[in-house]
Amino acid sequence: GESVGLHLPTLSVQEGDNSIINCAYSNSASDYFIWYKQESGKGPQFIIDIRSNMDKRQGQRVTVLLNKTVKHLSLQIAATQPGDSAVYFCAELSGGYQKVTFGTGTKLQVIP
Amino acid sequence: DTAVSQTPKYLVTQMGNDKSIKCEQNLGHDTMYWYKQDSKKFLKIMFSYNNKELIINETVPNRFSPKSPDKAHLNLHINSLELGDSAVYFCASSQGQAAQYFGPGTRLTVL
Repeated sequence: GESVGLHLPTLSVQEGDNSIINCAYSNSASDYFIWYKQESGKGPQFIIDIRSNMDKRQGQRVTVLLNKTVKHLSLQIAATQPGDSAVYFCAELSGGYQKVTFGTGTKLQVIP
Repeated sequence: DTAVSQTPKYLVTQMGNDKSIKCEQNLGHDTMYWYKQDSKKFLKIMFSYNNKELIINETVPNRFSPKSPDKAHLNLHINSLELGDSAVYFCASSQGQAAQYFGPGTRLTVL
């Protein structure tokens, strides 16, 4: 079946450094992608999204890159802060956005 | 002014019981969802409703029955609870083809 992402990996980053979280997706028909942040004990929170007609989108301290050729999505966080520590999920949407698939997540640990 | 709220936050029950989780959103969104998150943090969509009409029903046992009395509410009723139903259940909502707002989750533990 189709899948998004890998088994839950952990990324440890020094405070102030940049973080890059990666996600692989397998459904080439997906046309909308979202990154979510989930802090411990809370629900996922929207960070940034990108549609398939774009390859880069920037927000405040975050950038999402989409490479449709290799079906790869990445989230870059600039000047990582302790408050960025969380599990990050990518999600892909297709079928008129009726089909939503989440990746397995990446745990980001920020070292003060 | 919570956007998406769920009750209860924690639910501990015995196998075989029937339980319900309630969800309400005050965002005026048309679409609501239920997700299940397992112990490995994997999130899987269960149901999606648009204007009280079911539009997504993933492979979920029919012991799970969503009910949408109006577009601001999507409740989840679970019959004959099993050990494998233990998980965190998230409600979410969105306006059309846009990102979803998630509730705080309900941690269900079946003993």
